[in-house]
Amino acid sequence: NAGVTQTPKFQVLKTGQSMTLQCAQDMNHEYMSWYRQDPGMGLRLIHYSVGAGITDQGEVPNGYNVSRSTTEDFPLRLLSAAPSQTSVYFCASRAGTGDAAKNIQYFGAGTRLSVL
Amino acid sequence: AQSVTQLGSHVSVSEGALVLLRCNYSSSVPPYLFWYVQYPNQGLQLLLKYTSAATLVKGINGFEAEFKKSETSFHLTKPSAHMSDAAEYFCAVSGSASARQLTFGSGTQLTVLP
Repeated sequence: NAGVTQTPKFQVLKTGQSMTLQCAQDMNHEYMSWYRQDPGMGLRLIHYSVGAGITDQGEVPNGYNVSRSTTEDFPLRLLSAAPSQTSVYFCASRAGTGDAAKNIQYFGAGTRLSVL
Repeated sequence: AQSVTQLGSHVSVSEGALVLLRCNYSSSVPPYLFWYVQYPNQGLQLLLKYTSAATLVKGINGFEAEFKKSETSFHLTKPSAHMSDAAEYFCAVSGSASARQLTFGSGTQLTVLP
């Protein structure tokens, strides 16, 4: 089972460059999210989606765009990279159910991004 | 709104010793609580979760956590540490079963000494 797949694993950008971080899940999950992880700050939510065609902002959305054209894919776009966006990015998905026992997020392995 | 505080960004224990990682939460509604583990260069994996069914929750790899409402705590324990337990551990809270996101603590790095 592939689960949540993120690409690339590593990326170095120059300030002002754009790029897209890819995320795909094969579990037919409705909910997908993007987090960034910075030392001493845990994971902070960037954007999330509750289903195809529906996205919303999280805690730290500035500088990032997302779209959800299919259930499986949830790419994160950096339009003009800044050094402050140097971080580790995690994509997560979970089933769209109100059942607490199933309210489990599954995480990808992460993308390590450096912006010079 | 919910928040999580993890006391101690770094914890060191000897192999075979008790592991205790502390987590306190704040929530205006009954919380759903989670512990995740992150091994080096990997994503997060769920260790265990509290969803109001039982206050003592057993997870994978011998870990367990106890929900104490009076102390607003959800501390993670393991009776005997193993070298393979070295990782970063995150406590997280969700405000309801249908909550769209988790709020994470800042993490605790566990080092296991031989």
